[in-house]
Amino acid sequence: KAGVTQTPRYLIKTRGQQVTLSCSPISGHRSVSWYQQTPGQGLQFLFEYFSETQRNKGNFPGRFSGRQFSNSRSEMNVSTLELGDSALYLCASTSGQGGKTQYFGPGTRLLVL
Amino acid sequence: DAKTTQPNSMESNEEEPVHLPCNHSTISGTDYIHWYRQLPSQGPEYVIHGLTSNVNNRMASLAIAEDRKSSTLILHRATLRDAAVYYCILRDVDQGGSEKLVFGKGTKLTVNP
Repeated sequence: KAGVTQTPRYLIKTRGQQVTLSCSPISGHRSVSWYQQTPGQGLQFLFEYFSETQRNKGNFPGRFSGRQFSNSRSEMNVSTLELGDSALYLCASTSGQGGKTQYFGPGTRLLVL
Repeated sequence: DAKTTQPNSMESNEEEPVHLPCNHSTISGTDYIHWYRQLPSQGPEYVIHGLTSNVNNRMASLAIAEDRKSSTLILHRATLRDAAVYYCILRDVDQGGSEKLVFGKGTKLTVNP
């Protein structure tokens, strides 16, 4: 099976812009979670989507949003970018039935100037 | 969120065993102990998990204390490819089946040739 793929791999934006990141889960997986990784805060959970519905949410401002499509692909959007949003954004997929291993993609590295 | 405590860094020599400790004194009866590792420039990768009994797989072994307040990840023969940040995580699954991984700072393992 192909692994989790994320596009783009690298992105440079300026403050105030918005960005959309994409994640394609492993075939058959219905749950997609997003994480933000920064040197200062480490890996932090953003949100999880299952069957096109947000099922869980971390402690991030409303500028961070996401969605999931019927084919389980997911996008996350960050509006009004701030310098502090520079990070590695990782998505992970599971079958969606609680307690399963999460499989991570390689991440999208976002730099906000 | 239940917390784990790990040493910031450890060093090992190639082909020697490595014991990576983790304290999780606030663990609840239903928390599984998961280990993930993150190689440089990659997303986290599942290593092993367990509940009460010791576990073995092709990558590593997990030894869990009888009171479950600590655990140890054992790499039987470290290789240079095992150099990574190792995260000990208490898996949090809510009633809806949603699972989020709460990452700590992890242990950066250096393997010397």
